[in-house]
Amino acid sequence: NAGVTQTPKFQVLKTGQSMTLQCAQDMNHEYMSWYRQDPGMGLRLIHYSVGAGITDQGEVPNGYNVSRSTTEDFPLRLLSAAPSQTSVYFCATARLATNTGELFFGEGSRLTVL
Amino acid sequence: DAKTTQPTSMDCAEGRAANLPCNHSTISGNEYVYWYRQIHSQGPQYIIHGLKNNETNEMASLIITEDRKSSTLILPHATLRDTAVYYCIVRVGHTGNQFYFGTGTSLTVIP
Repeated sequence: NAGVTQTPKFQVLKTGQSMTLQCAQDMNHEYMSWYRQDPGMGLRLIHYSVGAGITDQGEVPNGYNVSRSTTEDFPLRLLSAAPSQTSVYFCATARLATNTGELFFGEGSRLTVL
Repeated sequence: DAKTTQPTSMDCAEGRAANLPCNHSTISGNEYVYWYRQIHSQGPQYIIHGLKNNETNEMASLIITEDRKSSTLILPHATLRDTAVYYCIVRVGHTGNQFYFGTGTSLTVIP
């Protein structure tokens, strides 16, 4: 079982470039989400999804787009990267229909925007 | 809106119990309290959760006050590997759709 897989692990972009961070899970979890973590800070929720075709905004959605066409994948798109988006990005998933609701995290994607 | 308040940092002697407090004074009746920890820059790891009863598992114990406005995570015998940032979060029901992490407590276990 791979769990939650994020790619790429590291990426350097120039201001204005676009890119997609990939998140894939093999646990059949309904819930998927994206967080960003800036140095010395906690995690902030960007977008989340409770199932294929359903997405919603978190705390800091501006500058990011998401889609959920399958249960397994939840890509995060930066359409025009800005230095303020330099951060570590985490994808997290959970099964919604249980009493535990444990979040499973990927290893993170470190993005630098120059 | 993190909904929880935690001290920024704490120290604990190795082998002693580490008691990490969390205030969640606006918690609603169907909101669960969850604890996670993050070691270095890894993804956070689930520790324990509860609604109103005290809970214990192989990692820790969770004590929730009767009014549910605060809770304490207890690591009974802290080791150096428990040095991490600990996050207390609340989640609406067990199908709540948003987990807000806040800034957490940085716990340092001292030899």
